[in-house]
Amino acid sequence: SYVLTQPPSVSVAPGKTARITCGGDNIGNKNVRWYQQKPGQAPVLVVYDESDRPSGIPERFSGSNSGNTATLTIGSVGAGDEADYYCQVWDSNSDHVVFGGGTKLTVL
Amino acid sequence: QVQLVQSGAEVKKPGASVRVSCKASGYTFISYYIHWVRQAPGQGLDWMGIISPSGGTTTYAQKFLDRISMTRDTSSSTVYLELTSLRSDDTAVYYCARAFGYSGSLFDYWGQGTSVTVSS
Repeated sequence: SYVLTQPPSVSVAPGKTARITCGGDNIGNKNVRWYQQKPGQAPVLVVYDESDRPSGIPERFSGSNSGNTATLTIGSVGAGDEADYYCQVWDSNSDHVVFGGGTKLTVL
Repeated sequence: QVQLVQSGAEVKKPGASVRVSCKASGYTFISYYIHWVRQAPGQGLDWMGIISPSGGTTTYAQKFLDRISMTRDTSSSTVYLELTSLRSDDTAVYYCARAFGYSGSLFDYWGQGTSVTVSS
């Protein structure tokens, strides 16, 4: 089965840029979604199809995807960005949705 | 506005079954697939399966194949998840989410989550 690998945690100082990676075999050939989840809340879509954003999501959130790594980039990080972030793809070999294990973003 | 409203919290004993509902509103019900995703305490997101609201066809994650069922009622725009033979490790928050297209898997709206606790 297809596996997505994320670092368990990423820390960044306020105002700096956070980068969260998502590794998978030839993930560059897949559409990657990124979700933000705050404690006690449902996940929220923040980036999809490499670097598109739903309405209401700030331009500070962007994505990239190439080779075996997709990356979510959050610019000018603030306390409100502290959350768990999950990458997700559709695995066409199994017709299954696959989530990464999640990354906890801490703003120092 | 688009809403997915789920049923309330459940407490079940091991071996029992649970049914969780997800009522859709604010959009054309049959135009979007519904997925179920669960999250155990302190853990990540775990995909369970997908149902087509128009035809009722389903695809389930391998790990749940023998004890999961997803159904829908088009007259009330509601999708149901049933999980049988519950175990303690089924304790989780269960979410429904909509996506456009079978392989679209872009979850733009989520339900509020339903807590299911399995305990003797």
